Amino acid sequence: ELKVEQNPLFLSMQEGKNYTIYCNYSTTSDRLYWYRQDPGKSLESLFVLLSNGAVKQEGRLMASLDTKARLSTLHITAAVHDLSATYFCAVDSTGGTSYGKLTFGQGTILTVHP
Amino acid sequence: SAVISQKPSRDICQRGTSLTIQCQVDSQVTMMFWYRQQPGQSLTLIATANQGSEATYESGFVIDKFPISRPNLTFSTLTVSNLSPEDSSIYLCSVEEAGWEQFFGPGTRLTVL
Repeated sequence: ELKVEQNPLFLSMQEGKNYTIYCNYSTTSDRLYWYRQDPGKSLESLFVLLSNGAVKQEGRLMASLDTKARLSTLHITAAVHDLSATYFCAVDSTGGTSYGKLTFGQGTILTVHP
Repeated sequence: SAVISQKPSRDICQRGTSLTIQCQVDSQVTMMFWYRQQPGQSLTLIATANQGSEATYESGFVIDKFPISRPNLTFSTLTVSNLSPEDSSIYLCSVEEAGWEQFFGPGTRLTVL
């Protein structure tokens, strides 16, 4: 059974600081997703990582994937209040000719303080 | 990206009744998925709905409780039957696009009294 674990689960940051959220998963996968969820809202797609060594950046967020270590990271640079949200990683282990069944991590609740 | 809508956006239901949730996509998609997000929790996949075939349910979810229809490539419904307070959750549909992107609908917030 695929397990996806994020840490930390709660992250309180000061504006301007850097931090990393980690996502470990237990079985082979070649697709990893990062999503953002604001309170009372649906999920917003941030990144899709499709291969070992993949790195993607958007604004103050950068995601990477190490399939050998079964680890993805979401790095936050110079945090701002607008980044406060819950961040989920999700792993797709369906494979073969079909994809789409995602297993989610527990989520990391990020709060950025002035 | 696909635009996904869900109806209703929220509902309050009495125990023992059922609620049917609709998911509409603005483009044809092969695979649609239904997830549940219990209060303060992460998302759990309920089932995969492909057009023209029976839905495939994940462990812990059964057709009698969560019947799903997929009449065409742009629409699906999820019914949550015989409601109990434990069914209070957000239910989200998602679609796969371009072979790897996964987009989520706005969700349906269900409260069972």
